[in-house]
Amino acid sequence: GQNIDQPTEMTATEGAIVQINCTYQTSGFNGLFWYQQHAGEAPTFLSYNVLDGLEEKGRFSSFLSRSKGYSYLLLKELQMKDSASYLCAVKDSNYQLIWGAGTKLIIKP
Amino acid sequence: DAGVIQSPRHEVTEMGQEVTLRCKPISGHDYLFWYRQTMMRGLELLIYFNNNVPIDDSGMPEDRFSAKMPNASFSTLKIQPSEPRDSAVYFCASSPILRDSYNEQFFGPGTRLTVL
Repeated sequence: GQNIDQPTEMTATEGAIVQINCTYQTSGFNGLFWYQQHAGEAPTFLSYNVLDGLEEKGRFSSFLSRSKGYSYLLLKELQMKDSASYLCAVKDSNYQLIWGAGTKLIIKP
Repeated sequence: DAGVIQSPRHEVTEMGQEVTLRCKPISGHDYLFWYRQTMMRGLELLIYFNNNVPIDDSGMPEDRFSAKMPNASFSTLKIQPSEPRDSAVYFCASSPILRDSYNEQFFGPGTRLTVL
């Protein structure tokens, strides 16, 4: 079967750095997405990786290792508004998005 | 563009009643997806359409659920009869191309359904 694993919940301090991990086992791979979802709102696109390595976009970076079936989302200089759920999703061989359950990130002052 | 539009935003109904959720995708997007999100099961794909044609409905939980896309700018998800376990947030999303790996899905604001 297809599976994506993420921690259920993480807590971090305002101004700090946090890394959210995602491991996946899917039938084929056509890219990995990270989405942010604030409580009561829709998921919004954050980042995309299809090749190994690090993609940086402002305070957010995403890393991919296809051989290990592993990705992480790195958030720097955390702000209170970063409190949200972060969803990892993989496009499989049929270009279908397989979604993780999401990681709820709590930011404390 | 106004983005993906869904209505209603909230729906409260009683068990046994018919529920119809509506979605208008982003203009020019060929793919439309219906998802359901709950705390227990996370985000689940119910069905998706390509150029108004249903492609994969394997995620539709049972015969009580049906979805249609009569034209490129409108889709409905119907539950008849509704049950309390259908309570969830239902999202509609659209995407321009599927087989181009990069293309993200754009989500609507969702419909929060409560079945009493």
